[in-house]
Amino acid sequence: AQKITQTQPGMFVQEKEAVTLDCTYDTSDPSYGLFWYKQPSSGEMIFLIYQGSYDQQNATEGRYSLNFQKARKSANLVISASQLGDSAMYFCAMRAANAGGTSYGKLTFGQGTILTVHP
Amino acid sequence: DVKVTQSSRYLVKRTGEKVFLECVQDMDHENMFWYRQDPGLGLRLIYFSYDVKMKEKGDIPEGYSVSREKKERFSLILESASTNQTSMYLCASKVQGAGNTIYFGEGSWLTVV
Repeated sequence: AQKITQTQPGMFVQEKEAVTLDCTYDTSDPSYGLFWYKQPSSGEMIFLIYQGSYDQQNATEGRYSLNFQKARKSANLVISASQLGDSAMYFCAMRAANAGGTSYGKLTFGQGTILTVHP
Repeated sequence: DVKVTQSSRYLVKRTGEKVFLECVQDMDHENMFWYRQDPGLGLRLIYFSYDVKMKEKGDIPEGYSVSREKKERFSLILESASTNQTSMYLCASKVQGAGNTIYFGEGSWLTVV
C-alpha cells in the first residue's frame, strides 16, 4: 500500500522568503511519480511540479523546486521568493504503477499543508 | 482550453436523498476519477473509470456508485445520502498511458442535512 505523509498542517512565511513544505512517502513499487498541487480557497487543484522515481535531477518549475531524496523517501517542495498569491493549501501526491504496469493515473494524496504568506 | 466541468458547485441535500454529481470533460480522456476531500485527510479516491462502462473501486467506495455511459461524462451517485458524506467532491481526468497531466474540476461542495 502506498502512503503520503505531510506533517505540517500549517506553515507561515514572510513575503519574498523561501519556504519548504515537507512530504514523505512509502511505496513498494519501483516505479512511481510524485506530484505537488496547489489548492486556492476557490477549490481548483493546480498542478505545480512532477518528479519521476527514476529522474536523476530534482525537478524545477519557475519558483518551485522539488527536493527529491529517494533513500529517505522524501519529496519536499521548495517555494522561493514567496508571494501573497502563494497562500493556499498544498498537497503532495504519488502515482504508482499497478501490478500490470498501468496506473491509470490514480493518485494517493497527503493530508495537505496550509501555507500563509505574510506581507 | 482543456476543461473538466462539475455541474454543481454547491448542493444541500437531505438525509436519504439520492444525489447525482456530474462531471464532464472535453479532452477525450479515457480515465476519470472521483475523489472526496476532507480536512486532515486530504483527497481520497472513491471510484475511477478507464473506459466507457468500466469502473473500479478506489479506497473508499462504500456508500457510492458511479456511472459512465459516455466517454466524456462520469457520474457519482449517492444512493441514500448520509450526513457523513458531507464533503468536497473533486472529479479528475487523464489520458490513458503516457503523460502525467491530470486535470481536475473545480469541486462540488455537498452538505447533507
